Amino acid sequence: QVQLVQSGAEVKKPGASVKVSCKASGYTFTSYGISWVRQAPGQGLEWMGWISAYNGNTNYAQKLQGRVTMTTDTSTSTAYMELRSLRSDDTAVYYCARDYSYYDSRLFDYWGQGTLVTVSS
Amino acid sequence: DIQMTQSPSSLSASVGDRVTITCQASQDISNYLNWYQQKPGKAPKLLIYDASNLETGVPSRFSGSGSGTDFTFTISSLQPEDIATYYCQQYDNLFTFGPGTKVDIK
Repeated sequence: QVQLVQSGAEVKKPGASVKVSCKASGYTFTSYGISWVRQAPGQGLEWMGWISAYNGNTNYAQKLQGRVTMTTDTSTSTAYMELRSLRSDDTAVYYCARDYSYYDSRLFDYWGQGTLVTVSS
Repeated sequence: DIQMTQSPSSLSASVGDRVTITCQASQDISNYLNWYQQKPGKAPKLLIYDASNLETGVPSRFSGSGSGTDFTFTISSLQPEDIATYYCQQYDNLFTFGPGTKVDIK
């Protein structure tokens, strides 16, 4: 069965960086993309960006350009999301999701369990 | 950027009631719209894709319709396990989620 398992909770100081991992299993990793979505406490869902596990192409949300980097390691079927220059408003649960693209359809059909990142001095 | 709005932001309904949520895009997105359910403390779950297609394994009481800028999500007979927040998501140009609609039992 398809599973996305994320790394554990992190506490970081303002200005630091965090790198969250998302290990995929149960499907051919390079046949799909991975999108990252975050959710601040009590707030809605915010799409952060996407990476193709096939060729490493990325597309980031404009507001995070320059601070976020998404990568994959196809040898371990793991996706990574690194966010730099952390601020208090980056405190959120970060989710990875399998990004399924088929003809004109695009959807997130499997999700990781979420990783809480807390930014606090 | 494409903006998404949802209404209402929250609602209370009785078990067995028909529940309708609307989602509006700031520009024509054809049928490039999905609906997700999120229960407290859990990851979102895909319910409807391409505006009206039911994801495999999702109960048939959930449905979606619409195209262009106006979309509707319906629960035909609300069940206790449907208590959650529902989000629409456009994928015509990158991705944007609506602000969510919180559904609870009256």
